[in-house]
Amino acid sequence: SAVISQKPSRDICQRGTSLTIQCQVDSQVTMMFWYRQQPGQSLTLIATANQGSEATYESGFVIDKFPISRPNLTFSTLTVSNMSPEDSSIYLCSASARDFTEAFFGQGTRLTVV
Amino acid sequence: AQSVTQLDSHVSVSEGTPVLLRCNYSSSYSPSLFWYVQHPNKGLQLLLKYTSAATLVKGINGFEAEFKKSETSFHLTKPSAHMSDAAEYFCVVIETSGSRLTFGEGTQLTVNP
Repeated sequence: SAVISQKPSRDICQRGTSLTIQCQVDSQVTMMFWYRQQPGQSLTLIATANQGSEATYESGFVIDKFPISRPNLTFSTLTVSNMSPEDSSIYLCSASARDFTEAFFGQGTRLTVV
Repeated sequence: AQSVTQLDSHVSVSEGTPVLLRCNYSSSYSPSLFWYVQHPNKGLQLLLKYTSAATLVKGINGFEAEFKKSETSFHLTKPSAHMSDAAEYFCVVIETSGSRLTFGEGTQLTVNP
């Protein structure tokens, strides 16, 4: 199994600013992902974080708005840029081995943009 | 393409009565299926998973689910609900040939005393 530490756990930010969320896994994993969970809704995949290369973004998400880094197998960051109130959500980091017998999740970052 | 449909957005049961949370999936390949639970202000916790072994899967806290290929279903059940079961439940599918999880819309379970 893997334990994922995500920080900050919550933040309140001014519109127009940026927030970087960090995700640390306690073991080497193949795949890392970032999800968004808007209030009262399910999880939506933002992107797959690729080690040493550009992330793979899902439809509706772009690198300029959600830049992602993954410098090694156990660490990734997601930045929410030029925030607006519509970005208020829970952002979750996830990790799994390539066989996908299980996906592990961080506790999430609850972001409120005012 | 893969998809998952949770047939009920809200389920309300009395404590001590059975729980049934319904999930149907669509997948082009042999899927792996999961149920996750999310308690308020908590992270996602894996309840159980099906990965092409036994079709009846037992998970934590007395939950179980049965994979029925003919019905493309993976319903979650528990014989007797407890107050602590009140949470949001997500059915999740992943194709073994793919690399992403697809989440259902979630079912909010309420347990009444």
